[in-house]
Amino acid sequence: LAKTTQPISMDSYEGQEVNITCSHNNIATNDYITWHQQFPSQGPRFIIQGYKTKVTNEVASLFIPADRKSSTLSLPRVSLSDTAVYYCLDTGGFKTIFGAGTRLFVKA
Amino acid sequence: KAGVTQTPRYLIKTRGQQVTLSCSPISGHRSVSWYQQTPGQGLQFLFEYFSETQRNKGNFPGRFSGRQFSNSRSEMNVSTLELGDSALYLCASKMETYEQYFGPGTRLTVT
Repeated sequence: LAKTTQPISMDSYEGQEVNITCSHNNIATNDYITWHQQFPSQGPRFIIQGYKTKVTNEVASLFIPADRKSSTLSLPRVSLSDTAVYYCLDTGGFKTIFGAGTRLFVKA
Repeated sequence: KAGVTQTPRYLIKTRGQQVTLSCSPISGHRSVSWYQQTPGQGLQFLFEYFSETQRNKGNFPGRFSGRQFSNSRSEMNVSTLELGDSALYLCASKMETYEQYFGPGTRLTVT
């Protein structure tokens, strides 16, 4: 069973900021929160990872509140090429469980 | 640094046959995990190997097996193929941190 819950799909327009929220109701103390992006017929690609507060890299920002029961992936100024499935995961230990992911569709 | 490589990229087999897929992790990565991805079930964890030992296993029948060699390369074997085994098989490698790197996958079609 997936350990995380996220919206099934989201639509956006080019140039907008997109925020995808994930619930981590069963996250373990030692788990990190990780987000992956997947394009059709390709393997998932690591986007960002954090433990708490805020993490930013050249691709996205990740916001994690103090209780760590949720996380928000923020994609600034999306483009058509950001259309993909985005997975949030609790990562730690030996088994990584993927949920259904959020299908983001960016329109022109 | 070279990424995770998987061979073959595409494969067509018939029911009842067996298949072996190969994965070469990123240099220095000792952990290799395997996943099956289908439209209906999404990404499902098969098993994980670390230093030639299986550390964890998902909920798949015994027809699915794997192994890891001393150079960290891993193989996955599926025996007595069924139509439902048609899927994209992905492997991922990592070091001791939790950042996994995925390969491009092997697309298996069972007819």
